[in-house]
Amino acid sequence: DAGVIQSPRHEVTEMGQEVTLRCKPISGHNSLFWYRQTMMRGLELLIYFNNNVPIDDSGMPEDRFSAKMPNASFSTLKIQPSEPRDSAVYFCASSKTSGVYNEQFFGPGTRLTVL
Amino acid sequence: AQKITQTQPGMFVQEKEAVTLDCTYDTSDPSYGLFWYKQPSSGEMIFLIYQGSYDQQNATEGRYSLNFQKARKSANLVISASQLGDSAMYFCAMREGGNNQGGKLIFGQGTELSVKP
Repeated sequence: DAGVIQSPRHEVTEMGQEVTLRCKPISGHNSLFWYRQTMMRGLELLIYFNNNVPIDDSGMPEDRFSAKMPNASFSTLKIQPSEPRDSAVYFCASSKTSGVYNEQFFGPGTRLTVL
Repeated sequence: AQKITQTQPGMFVQEKEAVTLDCTYDTSDPSYGLFWYKQPSSGEMIFLIYQGSYDQQNATEGRYSLNFQKARKSANLVISASQLGDSAMYFCAMREGGNNQGGKLIFGQGTELSVKP
């Protein structure tokens, strides 16, 4: 079975540009999470969806960040305009609430560098 | 507010020996789950083990076991018979709410484990 798929794996962009990160969760999973990992702040949740509906977006830094989940198999995280402090690894994870542990399966991450 | 604390930024262990990675948590929710993830240098996050707040027994998964002390609010990870491939960053995480609820994970800062040959 395919795991969580994220694209691109690496992104280098210049300040002010729009960045779109993509995620395909594991088939059958009904929860999707976007996390950000930095040295300073560690791993922190940005937003999560349950059955394609945003449940908690309290971790979204500011209006420059937006996330969508138009269907059960696709989600995007957009940053517009990007800033150097947005440089981080962005992880997408998915889980299913009917699972034994309801553990989250993580994608490989997207390493974003904003110059 | 929920919180996860990992007090060991780095740990060393000799190959084939056991090692304990510490994790304490704080929550007011009586129902919660505790997770350990491994992050090798390649960057992916790998789920290792889970302990539910109502579980009577400590969780075990192969060489991994969880020393769950509810009164102390600790959930230490024990790795037995360490292998070179265990060298990685280890994260403790907590989710409030029951197992049938999707919910965010709150992560600790991580412990970097180095296994010496």
